[in-house]
Amino acid sequence: TQLLEQSPQFLSIQEGENLTVYCNSSSVFSSLQWYRQEPGEGPVLLVTVVTGGEVKKLKRLTFQFGDARKDSSLHITAAQPGDTGLYLCAGGIGTYKYIFGTGTRLKVLA
Amino acid sequence: NAGVTQTPKFRVLKTGQSMTLLCAQDMNHEYMYWYRQDPGMGLRLIHYSVGEGTTAKGEVPDGYNVSRLKKQNFLLGLESAAPSQTSVYFCASSTTGGNQPQHFGDGTRLSIL
Repeated sequence: TQLLEQSPQFLSIQEGENLTVYCNSSSVFSSLQWYRQEPGEGPVLLVTVVTGGEVKKLKRLTFQFGDARKDSSLHITAAQPGDTGLYLCAGGIGTYKYIFGTGTRLKVLA
Repeated sequence: NAGVTQTPKFRVLKTGQSMTLLCAQDMNHEYMYWYRQDPGMGLRLIHYSVGEGTTAKGEVPDGYNVSRLKKQNFLLGLESAAPSQTSVYFCASSTTGGNQPQHFGDGTRLSIL
């Protein structure tokens, strides 16, 4: 069974702080996606990384895929209350299946 | 632009009852998925379909059946509901090709008493 562990599980920080969320596995993935989910809604895709070592930036969010394509990180600079939500990573298996991580619940306090 | 629509949004069942969850997408996507989301466990894949008339098992298929008679619809059935199936169920769809984003519905919250 392929597993994706996310850490930390919960994170509560003050507005303006930086944070990093990790997504780790012993399995190699074809790609890695990050989603954000808000209460009462489905997850929404933030980014897809495909190449080992790839780094992508989305405004204050920086995503990195590990060199061996087994892990990934999400770094948020100067967090804002609007960043509050559940962050999920998903590892690609082949071309159409994904294994989701356990999730990191982030709360940014004003 | 509806995207992925799930019905119903909430449902309470008694143990042993049956029901069907409906997922409809208007994006002409080939791939469709059913997940369940439980606290601390992320999303787990129940069943998926790579095209009309095809279905396949995911990580946690036991106790569920699915059908994809029309490209735009993906149905999830519970034949005899059990308390362990209390969860939030999400449907998703994506287009063909690798690394495509999955588009999710807003979920169905199901409680089995």
